[in-house]
Amino acid sequence: DAGVIQSPRHEVTEMGQEVTLRCKPISGHDYLFWYRQTMMRGLELLIYFNNNVPIDDSGMPEDRFSAKMPNASFSTLKIQPSEPRDSAVYFCASSFRVTEAFFGQGTRLTVV
Amino acid sequence: DQQVKQNSPSLSVQEGRISILNCDYTNSMFDYFLWYKKYPAEGPTFLISISSIKDKNEDGRFTVFLNKSAKHLSLHIVPSQPGDSAVYFCAFSSGNTGKLIFGQGTTLQVKP
Repeated sequence: DAGVIQSPRHEVTEMGQEVTLRCKPISGHDYLFWYRQTMMRGLELLIYFNNNVPIDDSGMPEDRFSAKMPNASFSTLKIQPSEPRDSAVYFCASSFRVTEAFFGQGTRLTVV
Repeated sequence: DQQVKQNSPSLSVQEGRISILNCDYTNSMFDYFLWYKKYPAEGPTFLISISSIKDKNEDGRFTVFLNKSAKHLSLHIVPSQPGDSAVYFCAFSSGNTGKLIFGQGTTLQVKP
């Protein structure tokens, strides 16, 4: 397996635009996590899914953020409208049951 | 509400010596404990883990210690090598929820 695959690796967008981040988890994993890393808050859990169902979205900062997992091999994190303070590195991770999670390489988002 | 604290933001150690990274937690429901290493521009990678039924787990140069009564987790690296220079995150999970929570990270620098 190629590991967790995230796209794009880098995204630069203007304030107010919609941004969609994509993630393909490792095949067979039943948990999927979205994290955001910033200097101020470190690695912050935004939302996680179990068997494609959102379990806890309490980390999602605002209604501008939404995440979906339409099937076991794909998830999206959408920000609409984007703001400069959303600039961060966004990581997707997957795991099998409650074991170590494997991370993608991240998407560096810059909102100007 | 910070459930996990890594109180040392940085640590500098001489090559060949022992590196000790520490983490404190407050949530007694955590039952699976992990350490991750992160290099710049990469996603975190799993290093070592321990379940709540153990107090020590060793893997080569890396040993994780768990003190449940003190709610304290530590990682020992011996001997330290320059390639160990990275940001180290402790992470915690509860079997009931599957939620994986990270500490703020400690930057380790191993000097040649």
